[in-house]
Amino acid sequence: EPEVTQTPSHQVTQMGQEVILRCVPISNHLYFYWYRQILGQKVEFLVSFYNNEISEKSEIFDDQFSVERPDGSNFTLKIRSTKLEDSAMYFCASSLRGQQPQHFGDGTRLSIL
Amino acid sequence: GQQLNQSPQSMFIQEGEDVSMNCTSSSIFNTWLWYKQDPGEGPVLLIALYKAGELTSNGRLTAQFGITRKDSFLNISASIPSDVGIYFCAGQLSGGSNYKLTFGKGTLLTVNP
Repeated sequence: EPEVTQTPSHQVTQMGQEVILRCVPISNHLYFYWYRQILGQKVEFLVSFYNNEISEKSEIFDDQFSVERPDGSNFTLKIRSTKLEDSAMYFCASSLRGQQPQHFGDGTRLSIL
Repeated sequence: GQQLNQSPQSMFIQEGEDVSMNCTSSSIFNTWLWYKQDPGEGPVLLIALYKAGELTSNGRLTAQFGITRKDSFLNISASIPSDVGIYFCAGQLSGGSNYKLTFGKGTLLTVNP
């Protein structure tokens, strides 16, 4: 069964450094998402992306965050200058169409030191 | 923003027992989804519900979309040890370019063999 893949599985970064989290969505899907889950808390929406542009973003997704689909397969989340509170699991998801179920990757655990 | 109240927060049951969990919202959703998350992995879709009043089964799992569109429940029958995990409800209010999921805080299920 097709799946969403994310790399790396764990990223440790010094505060203030830039980090790029990578995702390969399911190949025929058209809608892409990033969510985060702080340890012990619920999954929170960050951003959705369709037709090569952001379609919606949350309050969490400030100027330090950006997303890109550099080629036909990858979907990336960049945090420009990481803060301690950015430590969380980051999940990528994709869906065939907006109304259809979103399928999640196994996440990247981001630890900011 | 929209909030989902998921209950119970945790459950500890004996293998073979049935279990029920639910989500309520102060506002309506067009779609309700139920996901399961195992440790170190991403949420895995269990059931998607699209119509008010819809009752859908997936093996031993049954979920219903409340008639008011403000609630949903998930039942697991004849639980087995591999049912252990965190179960999340998620609501989607789709319209325009808005397809983000709003998650509940999860129900931690423990099954005693």
